[in-house]
Amino acid sequence: KAGVTQTPRYLIKTRGQQVTLSCSPISGHRSVSWYQQTPGQGLQFLFEYFSETQRNKGNFPGRFSGRQFSNSRSEMNVSTLELGDSALYLCASSFDPNTEAFFGQGTRLTVV
Amino acid sequence: DQQVKQNSPSLSVQEGRISILNCDYTNSMFDYFLWYKKYPAEGPTFLISISSIKDKNEDGRFTVFLNKSAKHLSLHIVPSQPGDSAVYFCAARGTRFQKLVFGTGTRLLVSP
Repeated sequence: KAGVTQTPRYLIKTRGQQVTLSCSPISGHRSVSWYQQTPGQGLQFLFEYFSETQRNKGNFPGRFSGRQFSNSRSEMNVSTLELGDSALYLCASSFDPNTEAFFGQGTRLTVV
Repeated sequence: DQQVKQNSPSLSVQEGRISILNCDYTNSMFDYFLWYKKYPAEGPTFLISISSIKDKNEDGRFTVFLNKSAKHLSLHIVPSQPGDSAVYFCAARGTRFQKLVFGTGTRLLVSP
């Protein structure tokens, strides 16, 4: 059974640009969550989607947005990139929001 | 507001001995707790979980203890192995909030 797949694995962008990250959940999983990991900050929750609906949103500015498609695949978008957006972005999927989440390997975003 | 706290950023243990990783939480609405292990450049891997209706859950070398009155949980690894060296995150979730809230992680180093 394939795990959670995130693309791309690495990305370098310039300040002011926008970026879209993709996440394909484990087959059969309908819940997808996104997290940002920066050194010393642990995993900060961005948002959670279940059956194409955003169920929860973390404390991030409106430049961070996401969506989920009918096949449960999810994308997150960050507009007007700032240097502080450099981080590892992790996607996790679960069968539903009340079961354990399985993580992808993440996308390492570097903003220069 | 750090609702899940891992106050020890690092822990060093000798191979064969017990590793004890601690986690405290502040939100009494949390009722499901998980531990994840993370190697560099990889996503977190689910280890073990515990529901608030239990005070102990075992899975092989890993045991999680929950003390609801103290709002404290711990992960015991016995015996510790060098391959256990990683960053360990505890996470908590409530049935009403559902999103996972992570601690900042504890880096475990098991030396031969």
